[in-house]
Amino acid sequence: DIVMTQSPDSLAVTLGERATITCKSSQSVRSSSTGNNYLAWYQQKPGQPPKLLIYWASTRDSGVPDRFSGSGSGTDFTLTISSLQAEDVAVYYCQQYYSDKYTFGQGTRLEIK
Amino acid sequence: QITLEESGPTLVRPTQTLTLTCTFSGFSLSTDGEGVGWIRQPPGKALEWLALIYWDDDNRYWPSLKTRLTITKDTSKNQVVLTMTNMDPVDTATYYCAHRSSGLLTGGVFDAWGHGTMVTVSS
Repeated sequence: DIVMTQSPDSLAVTLGERATITCKSSQSVRSSSTGNNYLAWYQQKPGQPPKLLIYWASTRDSGVPDRFSGSGSGTDFTLTISSLQAEDVAVYYCQQYYSDKYTFGQGTRLEIK
Repeated sequence: QITLEESGPTLVRPTQTLTLTCTFSGFSLSTDGEGVGWIRQPPGKALEWLALIYWDDDNRYWPSLKTRLTITKDTSKNQVVLTMTNMDPVDTATYYCAHRSSGLLTGGVFDAWGHGTMVTVSS
C-alpha cells in the first residue's frame, strides 16, 4: 500500500500570508506512460465533507480560487495558498489514486495566527 | 449536478453487521468510467478509504478490511450499498460515499461527496 505522509500536522499562518503544506508518498504516483501524477488535494471544513481542490497534482477543480495551487511530481508534492483568507481555515488532505487502493495523508490543520 | 446521500443506522451493537446505503443523482452507474466509493472518518481523525465499485461491477476494498466489506450497486435505484460485518467500537466513524469521476478526466478522484452519516458502535 502507498503511504501518504503530510507535514506539518498543523500550521498557523497570518491572514494574507502564504501557507505551504507538503505531502510525500512512499512510492511514485507518477505514470511513466502519461507523465500524470495521480495526486489530489482536498479541503475539509468543520462539520463538512471533504471538497476536492486539486487533481493531477496541479489542476484546480472547477470554482477553486486561484490562490490555491499544487505542485510536485513523483513522490513529493506541495499545496500552496498564496494569500490566506479566513475561509481557508480547514484540514487539508492529500490522496493518491495511482493505486486502486486509495490512500489519504493524515491531514494538516490550517489555522489563523 | 451530482448529489449523494448516505443512510443507515446511527447505532450498531458490537459483532452486528452494518448496512449503509448511498443514494445518488446526477450520474448513472451504468455509464462507462463511473464509480462510487465509501470513505470513513473516525472522530477527530483522518479519512480512510474503504471500498469502490465501478460501472462494470468491478470492485476494490481496503486490504485489511476486505474480509468484512461488501459493496454492491443497484443501477435502477441509483444506489450503492456497503455492508460491514462484525462491527467493533473502533469502527465508530462518519461514513461518506463519494462519486469517483471518470478516469479520462481526472484519473478517478472523488469529486462529489455526501454529507456523511455518523455510526456509533456500542453495546
